[in-house]
Amino acid sequence: QKEVEQDPGPLSVPEGAIVSLNCTYSNSAFQYFMWYRQYSRKGPELLMYTYSSGNKEDGRFTAQVDKSSKYISLFIRDSQPSDSATYLCAVISGSRLTFGEGTQLTVNP
Amino acid sequence: EAGVTQSPTHLIKTRGQQATLRCSPISGHTSVYWYQQALGLGLQFLLWYDEGEERNRGNFPPRFSGRQFPNYSSELNVNALELEDSALYLCASSGIQGDEAFFGQGTRLTVV
Repeated sequence: QKEVEQDPGPLSVPEGAIVSLNCTYSNSAFQYFMWYRQYSRKGPELLMYTYSSGNKEDGRFTAQVDKSSKYISLFIRDSQPSDSATYLCAVISGSRLTFGEGTQLTVNP
Repeated sequence: EAGVTQSPTHLIKTRGQQATLRCSPISGHTSVYWYQQALGLGLQFLLWYDEGEERNRGNFPPRFSGRQFPNYSSELNVNALELEDSALYLCASSGIQGDEAFFGQGTRLTVV
């Protein structure tokens, strides 16, 4: 079993839609959670970082963590074509960093 | 403040040669991670260095090796290159335990 599971998609939505991206993890020792956005042929860009259960908002992005279910989500409101990218979840235990496979998102104008 | 920098941006090698990729972490960061991302695939963990020591290694053959220098910069060496080694190699750095990790823009290695 992979330590972090993420549906690779691809996911295609119309502009303006609410997007929900999800990951599950297996190890309750994971303490910190991140979401990255990666455009084609570029390095991943850190979007959100959180360490507690609950929601964290930043503009159109909301990161949600449920430690009891070992489930993390990223919501994108009012999605834009510029949001089209691959989104990767990541978890940290100590300084050990583990990534999901990434979900490819396309937002259609 | 400068981000994570990687060099070179692009590298073309022939099969059997050796490649050396370099990474400079964000100032103050002591951990460096290396990942391989083949076209269309996810990030495959290669190596993790912290405070000059190799802390963990992914499921890659020994011809993938590296080191971390006293200034926390790092090198990834790939010996006896194979065509399948063609990929984007990404470096990330982080600071104290649990800190965010930031990526460089990667080195695109092409083996012909």
